[in-house]
Amino acid sequence: GQNIDQPTEMTATEGAIVQINCTYQTSGFNGLFWYQQHAGEAPTFLSYNVLDGLEEKGRFSSFLSRSKGYSYLLLKELQMKDSASYLCALRSGTYKYIFGTGTRLKVLA
Amino acid sequence: EAQVTQNPRYLITVTGKKLTVTCSQNMNHEYMSWYRQDPGLGLRQIYYSMNVEATDKGDVPEGYKVSRKEKRNFPLILESPSPNQTSLYFCASSTGFNQPQHFGDGTRLSIL
Repeated sequence: GQNIDQPTEMTATEGAIVQINCTYQTSGFNGLFWYQQHAGEAPTFLSYNVLDGLEEKGRFSSFLSRSKGYSYLLLKELQMKDSASYLCALRSGTYKYIFGTGTRLKVLA
Repeated sequence: EAQVTQNPRYLITVTGKKLTVTCSQNMNHEYMSWYRQDPGLGLRQIYYSMNVEATDKGDVPEGYKVSRKEKRNFPLILESPSPNQTSLYFCASSTGFNQPQHFGDGTRLSIL
């Protein structure tokens, strides 16, 4: 079967660094995406990993280890506007996607 | 402006009354997909389309139909809606299967 696990909620302080983990089990791996979703809005793309290692995009970085079935999203210099849900999504087949239930991040002043 | 447009944004209807949610993209994307989002369950893929006249089932296709007669449009059809289809629906598109998806603003359906 296929499964994605993410923590349900996390809290961090403005200016801090937070790491959101995603673990997965799948019979076929074809890439992993991270999306951000503010309450009441559509998801928006943050990052994509298909090979092991770290991808950096400004304040956001994403890491992948295929052998461990593990990814994380790292958010640096947290801002209040980063309060949102973060969705881990697996491309499990050529065209199929499996999403995790999302991690709701609260950034406190 | 590049966008994915869904209509309607909100709909309250009754069991058994056929409805269609339209989705249109202006980015010439080949890949389009429909998802439903429910509390505690996350986004679940209903149907996807690789190109015109090419569609396939996602994880939760029961009770839904789709068609892709033109590249820009990918309507979601509920032939006989039931209360368990009450949900927030998102349409998405991308240039290809390893490219990020662009999501529409969502359609909130309530089936009474």
